Amino acid sequence: SYVLTQPPSVSVAPGKTAMITCGGNNIETKTVHWYQQKPGQAPVLVIYYDNERPSGIPERFSGSKSGDTATLTISRVEAGDEADYYCQLWDSHSDHFYVFGTGTKVTVL
Amino acid sequence: QVQLVQSRAEVKSPGASVQISCMTSGFTFNFYTLTWVRQAPGQSLEWMGWINADNGNTKYAEKFQGRVTITRDTSATTTYMDLSGLTSEDTAVYYCARQGNYGEFGYWGQGTLVTVSS
Repeated sequence: SYVLTQPPSVSVAPGKTAMITCGGNNIETKTVHWYQQKPGQAPVLVIYYDNERPSGIPERFSGSKSGDTATLTISRVEAGDEADYYCQLWDSHSDHFYVFGTGTKVTVL
Repeated sequence: QVQLVQSRAEVKSPGASVQISCMTSGFTFNFYTLTWVRQAPGQSLEWMGWINADNGNTKYAEKFQGRVTITRDTSATTTYMDLSGLTSEDTAVYYCARQGNYGEFGYWGQGTLVTVSS
Protein backbone atom coordinates (compact mmCIF):
# COMPACT_ATOMS: atom_id res chain seq x y z
CA SER A 1 0.00 0.00 0.00
CA TYR A 2 1.05 3.58 -0.63
CA VAL A 3 2.79 5.31 2.31
CA LEU A 4 3.00 9.05 2.87
CA THR A 5 5.62 10.02 5.43
CA GLN A 6 5.64 13.21 7.46
CA PRO A 7 7.97 14.26 10.30
CA PRO A 8 6.25 13.57 13.62
CA SER A 9 6.91 17.05 14.94
CA VAL A 10 8.10 20.50 13.95
CA SER A 11 8.85 23.30 16.40
CA VAL A 12 8.94 26.94 15.38
CA ALA A 13 9.19 30.31 17.09
CA PRO A 14 6.46 32.89 16.57
CA GLY A 15 7.07 35.01 13.50
CA LYS A 16 9.31 32.40 11.89
CA THR A 17 8.62 29.96 9.06
CA ALA A 18 7.52 26.35 9.48
CA MET A 19 8.00 23.83 6.68
CA ILE A 20 6.24 20.46 6.84
CA THR A 21 7.24 17.80 4.36
CA CYS A 22 5.22 14.92 2.95
CA GLY A 23 7.16 12.17 1.21
CA GLY A 24 5.86 9.49 -1.10
CA ASN A 25 6.59 7.76 -4.37
CA ASN A 26 5.98 9.98 -7.38
CA ILE A 27 4.07 12.62 -5.46
CA GLU A 28 4.63 14.95 -8.36
CA THR A 29 2.10 12.94 -10.41
CA LYS A 30 -0.61 13.21 -7.76
CA THR A 31 -2.72 16.06 -6.39
CA VAL A 32 -1.83 17.19 -2.86
CA HIS A 33 -4.03 18.68 -0.18
CA TRP A 34 -3.22 19.79 3.36
CA TYR A 35 -5.36 19.86 6.50
CA GLN A 36 -4.99 21.48 9.90
CA GLN A 37 -6.51 19.73 12.90
CA LYS A 38 -6.71 21.15 16.40
CA PRO A 39 -7.45 18.93 19.42
CA GLY A 40 -11.01 17.69 19.53
CA GLN A 41 -11.92 19.30 16.21
CA ALA A 42 -12.52 18.12 12.68
CA PRO A 43 -9.77 18.73 10.12
CA VAL A 44 -9.79 22.01 8.20
CA LEU A 45 -8.60 22.23 4.60
CA VAL A 46 -5.78 24.80 4.36
CA ILE A 47 -4.30 23.98 0.92
CA TYR A 48 -5.88 22.13 -2.01
CA TYR A 49 -4.76 21.26 -5.54
CA ASP A 50 -1.10 21.52 -4.51
CA ASN A 51 -0.99 25.25 -3.77
CA GLU A 52 -4.48 26.75 -3.72
CA ARG A 53 -5.91 28.33 -0.58
CA PRO A 54 -9.59 27.94 0.31
CA SER A 55 -11.53 31.05 1.14
CA GLY A 56 -10.65 32.31 4.61
CA ILE A 57 -7.22 30.70 4.83
CA PRO A 58 -4.45 33.28 5.36
CA GLU A 59 -1.84 33.90 2.66
CA ARG A 60 0.75 32.74 5.21
CA PHE A 61 -0.14 29.17 4.20
CA SER A 62 1.34 27.90 0.93
CA GLY A 63 2.04 24.58 -0.72
CA SER A 64 4.54 23.19 -3.19
CA LYS A 65 5.72 19.83 -4.52
CA SER A 66 8.66 18.43 -6.40
CA GLY A 67 9.64 14.86 -7.19
CA ASP A 68 8.72 12.68 -4.23
CA THR A 69 8.07 15.48 -1.74
CA ALA A 70 5.30 17.96 -1.07
CA THR A 71 5.77 20.82 1.37
CA LEU A 72 3.41 22.97 3.40
CA THR A 73 4.96 26.28 4.38
CA ILE A 74 3.55 28.46 7.14
CA SER A 75 5.09 31.93 7.15
CA ARG A 76 5.05 34.35 10.10
CA VAL A 77 3.85 31.60 12.39
CA GLU A 78 1.32 32.53 15.05
CA ALA A 79 0.34 30.78 18.27
CA GLY A 80 -2.98 29.83 16.68
CA ASP A 81 -1.16 27.74 14.05
CA GLU A 82 -0.26 25.14 16.66
CA ALA A 83 -2.02 21.98 15.48
CA ASP A 84 -1.58 18.66 13.70
CA TYR A 85 -1.15 18.88 9.94
CA TYR A 86 -1.91 16.13 7.44
CA CYS A 87 -1.15 15.85 3.76
CA GLN A 88 -3.52 13.94 1.51
CA LEU A 89 -2.95 12.62 -1.97
CA TRP A 90 -5.53 12.10 -4.70
CA ASP A 91 -5.04 10.42 -8.01
CA SER A 92 -7.41 11.72 -10.67
CA HIS A 93 -6.94 8.47 -12.63
CA SER A 94 -8.29 6.34 -9.79
CA ASP A 95 -11.67 6.36 -8.08
CA HIS A 96 -10.29 5.05 -4.80
CA PHE A 97 -6.87 6.61 -4.27
CA TYR A 98 -7.19 8.78 -1.17
CA VAL A 99 -4.15 8.55 1.07
CA PHE A 100 -3.36 10.58 4.16
CA GLY A 101 0.05 11.28 5.56
CA THR A 102 1.19 10.22 9.00
CA GLY A 103 0.69 13.70 10.42
CA THR A 104 2.95 16.39 11.89
CA LYS A 105 2.48 18.13 15.21
CA VAL A 106 3.46 21.78 14.88
CA THR A 107 4.48 23.37 18.18
CA VAL A 108 4.84 27.13 18.48
CA LEU A 109 7.57 27.86 21.00
CA GLN B 1 -23.69 28.05 4.87
CA VAL B 2 -22.52 24.51 4.25
CA GLN B 3 -23.16 22.25 7.22
CA LEU B 4 -22.68 18.55 7.87
CA VAL B 5 -24.16 17.39 11.16
CA GLN B 6 -23.47 13.88 12.36
CA SER B 7 -25.28 11.62 14.78
CA ARG B 8 -24.15 11.26 18.35
CA ALA B 9 -21.52 9.00 19.88
CA GLU B 10 -22.09 5.25 20.06
CA VAL B 11 -20.85 2.45 22.29
CA LYS B 12 -20.97 -0.99 20.72
CA SER B 13 -20.06 -4.53 21.67
CA PRO B 14 -17.60 -6.55 19.60
CA GLY B 15 -19.29 -8.15 16.62
CA ALA B 16 -22.05 -5.56 16.48
CA SER B 17 -22.82 -3.08 13.72
CA VAL B 18 -23.10 0.70 13.83
CA GLN B 19 -24.83 3.23 11.62
CA ILE B 20 -23.78 6.87 11.58
CA SER B 21 -25.77 9.56 9.85
CA CYS B 22 -24.57 12.82 8.31
CA MET B 23 -27.26 15.40 7.63
CA THR B 24 -26.23 18.09 5.16
CA SER B 25 -27.51 21.56 4.35
CA GLY B 26 -26.44 24.74 2.61
CA PHE B 27 -25.64 23.20 -0.78
CA THR B 28 -27.25 21.17 -3.56
CA PHE B 29 -26.88 17.65 -2.24
CA ASN B 30 -27.05 15.87 -5.60
CA PHE B 31 -24.12 17.88 -6.99
CA TYR B 32 -21.53 16.32 -4.72
CA THR B 33 -19.69 13.22 -3.65
CA LEU B 34 -19.72 12.58 0.07
CA THR B 35 -16.96 10.64 1.74
CA TRP B 36 -16.30 8.96 5.08
CA VAL B 37 -13.00 9.17 6.92
CA ARG B 38 -12.07 7.76 10.31
CA GLN B 39 -9.41 8.56 12.89
CA ALA B 40 -8.39 6.09 15.60
CA PRO B 41 -7.14 7.60 18.88
CA GLY B 42 -3.79 9.29 18.36
CA GLN B 43 -3.64 8.15 14.75
CA SER B 44 -3.83 9.69 11.30
CA LEU B 45 -6.87 9.91 9.07
CA GLU B 46 -8.09 6.97 7.01
CA TRP B 47 -10.36 7.12 3.97
CA MET B 48 -13.19 4.57 4.07
CA GLY B 49 -15.30 5.24 0.99
CA TRP B 50 -17.50 7.63 -0.92
CA ILE B 51 -20.97 7.91 -2.38
CA ASN B 52 -22.08 9.91 -5.37
CA ALA B 53 -25.11 11.69 -3.96
CA ASP B 54 -26.70 11.96 -7.40
CA ASN B 55 -26.71 8.35 -8.60
CA GLY B 56 -25.87 6.52 -5.38
CA ASN B 57 -22.73 4.91 -6.78
CA THR B 58 -20.23 3.95 -4.12
CA LYS B 59 -16.57 3.05 -3.79
CA TYR B 60 -14.95 1.59 -0.71
CA ALA B 61 -11.39 1.25 0.49
CA GLU B 62 -10.18 -2.31 0.06
CA LYS B 63 -9.61 -2.58 3.80
CA PHE B 64 -13.32 -2.14 4.53
CA GLN B 65 -14.79 -4.07 1.59
CA GLY B 66 -17.56 -6.36 2.80
CA ARG B 67 -17.94 -4.55 6.12
CA VAL B 68 -18.91 -1.01 5.13
CA THR B 69 -21.99 0.24 3.34
CA ILE B 70 -22.57 3.89 2.46
CA THR B 71 -26.03 5.02 1.45
CA ARG B 72 -27.89 8.28 1.02
CA ASP B 73 -31.39 9.65 1.26
CA THR B 74 -31.71 12.48 -1.24
CA SER B 75 -35.00 13.73 0.20
CA ALA B 76 -33.32 14.13 3.60
CA THR B 77 -29.97 15.27 2.12
CA THR B 78 -28.36 12.76 4.44
CA THR B 79 -25.72 10.12 3.99
CA TYR B 80 -25.28 7.05 6.18
CA MET B 81 -22.33 4.83 6.93
CA ASP B 82 -22.87 1.31 8.24
CA LEU B 83 -19.94 -0.68 9.60
CA SER B 84 -20.40 -4.31 10.65
CA GLY B 85 -18.32 -6.88 12.49
CA LEU B 86 -16.94 -4.30 14.90
CA THR B 87 -13.76 -4.99 16.84
CA SER B 88 -11.78 -2.86 19.28
CA GLU B 89 -9.70 -1.69 16.32
CA ASP B 90 -12.77 0.10 14.98
CA THR B 91 -12.80 2.43 17.98
CA ALA B 92 -12.37 5.80 16.30
CA VAL B 93 -13.92 9.13 15.43
CA TYR B 94 -15.79 8.83 12.15
CA TYR B 95 -16.19 11.87 9.91
CA CYS B 96 -18.28 12.59 6.86
CA ALA B 97 -16.96 15.18 4.44
CA ARG B 98 -17.94 16.82 1.18
CA GLN B 99 -15.54 16.17 -1.64
CA GLY B 100 -14.45 18.90 -4.03
CA ASN B 101 -13.36 18.77 -7.66
CA TYR B 102 -9.78 17.74 -6.92
CA GLY B 103 -10.40 15.04 -4.35
CA GLU B 104 -10.13 17.45 -1.46
CA PHE B 105 -12.42 17.43 1.55
CA GLY B 106 -13.48 21.01 2.00
CA TYR B 107 -16.28 20.60 4.51
CA TRP B 108 -16.43 18.14 7.39
CA GLY B 109 -18.95 16.95 9.91
CA GLN B 110 -18.14 17.37 13.58
CA GLY B 111 -17.23 13.70 13.97
CA THR B 112 -18.88 10.77 15.72
CA LEU B 113 -16.99 8.74 18.31
CA VAL B 114 -17.61 5.02 18.10
CA THR B 115 -16.30 3.00 21.02
CA VAL B 116 -16.16 -0.77 20.71
CA SER B 117 -15.88 -2.44 24.08
CA SER B 118 -17.09 -5.53 25.84
